[in-house]
Amino acid sequence: EAQVTQNPRYLITVTGKKLTVTCSQNMNHEYMSWYRQDPGLGLRQIYYSMNVEVTDKGDVPEGYKVSRKEKRNFPLILESPSPNQTSLYFCASSQGADNSPLHFGNGTRLTVT
Amino acid sequence: SQKIEQNSEALNIQEGKTATLTCNYTNYSPAYLQWYRQDPGRGPVFLLLIRENEKEKRKERLKVTFDTTLKQSLFHITASQPADSATYLCALPPAGNKLTFGGGTRVLVKP
Repeated sequence: EAQVTQNPRYLITVTGKKLTVTCSQNMNHEYMSWYRQDPGLGLRQIYYSMNVEVTDKGDVPEGYKVSRKEKRNFPLILESPSPNQTSLYFCASSQGADNSPLHFGNGTRLTVT
Repeated sequence: SQKIEQNSEALNIQEGKTATLTCNYTNYSPAYLQWYRQDPGRGPVFLLLIRENEKEKRKERLKVTFDTTLKQSLFHITASQPADSATYLCALPPAGNKLTFGGGTRVLVKP
């Protein structure tokens, strides 16, 4: 089944404790992206990747890192999480960055205390 | 900067009626526009794409229009059903490779 898999689904952590949210897709998609969704602010892009070893900042990249060492994986790293990073995170992928539809994972709900 | 606006107020509609949602944008001329459906706690799911040279697109009970003069897209759900209750998001590609989403409109279809 074609899908984007994120882990974990839920995560509660404390300020400053490094964490990684994994994302994997099995559709051989070139384009991958991370979004965060907050009430009243909608979906905002954090980082995106056009292909392996190619990443770029989205609209809200501060406090986040990503890597794209393999085509299928695009982990999101929070080196020193803060409470303002409490949010619902979505990973997405598509065939390309053109008009291809995005396929989203089921989300990771992160709480930073 | 580019701005995408969707009605933030929930749309309550009776089963069987047509729901019409609006997506307005400014400071941009997109080559296409996409619509997604999002259920609570789940990732958005792609529904339809309409290009700038297409006035209307249909998929089953869904219809999307795209008016580049008005800078507006309308999303219609005909013969609505309770299972259509969800949040609907429009998305446009601003400059570069970033798809930008509107805030979404929640639809509640009452039996």
